Amino acid sequence: TQLLEQSPQFLSIQEGENLTVYCNSSSVFSSLQWYRQEPGEGPVLLVTVVTGGEVKKLKRLTFQFGDARKDSSLHITAAQPGDTGLYLCAGERSWGKLQFGAGTQVVVTP
Amino acid sequence: EAQVTQNPRYLITVTGKKLTVTCSQNMNHEYMSWYRQDPGLGLRQIYYSMNVEVTDKGDVPEGYKVSRKEKRNFPLILESPSPNQTSLYFCASSRKTDRGRPSGANVLTFGAGSRLTVL
Repeated sequence: TQLLEQSPQFLSIQEGENLTVYCNSSSVFSSLQWYRQEPGEGPVLLVTVVTGGEVKKLKRLTFQFGDARKDSSLHITAAQPGDTGLYLCAGERSWGKLQFGAGTQVVVTP
Repeated sequence: EAQVTQNPRYLITVTGKKLTVTCSQNMNHEYMSWYRQDPGLGLRQIYYSMNVEVTDKGDVPEGYKVSRKEKRNFPLILESPSPNQTSLYFCASSRKTDRGRPSGANVLTFGAGSRLTVL
């Protein structure tokens, strides 16, 4: 059973378009992280959100943590081919135990 | 360069032949963890370690063993590998704050992965 549901599983868009990836759970997390993974590499942390309702921006990426700390979203504005990758959300249930979603594969074509 | 190093990166083995995947970090991190990644399932935690000689089970520990005799090393041991352990394995580490946990999150640095095939 996947405690963290990511949607969509796959997203293919043209350069310049916007996209949103969702991460939902019925559980409350103390924090939630977003990672990006490229082929042949390990996931790399993009951002951590801790407070319910928190919004963080990282250049063209906007991350939001739900008020109840059960869900999160990642929005990319004006996507570029370099944004292509597998996006993973991970919720911290307790110190030491991270629960990952299955990931959203994003493909941005020129 | 701060990094987590896994070896081997690729391994094909046969059922029942014991193997060890090594993991080493040079960041003096207290926390280390092993994950396996399978299509459609994301990363699932196998074991983790809060510090030397302190280990605990993750969500899918069956068929695996770990040890943490030194701070920098956290090997993953498959005593009798089976085909359902064919997967991509990742080791990760993170530090603790002076308060005993990172401020708000357990932020992981991952290794590059070890792709294991058990025939």
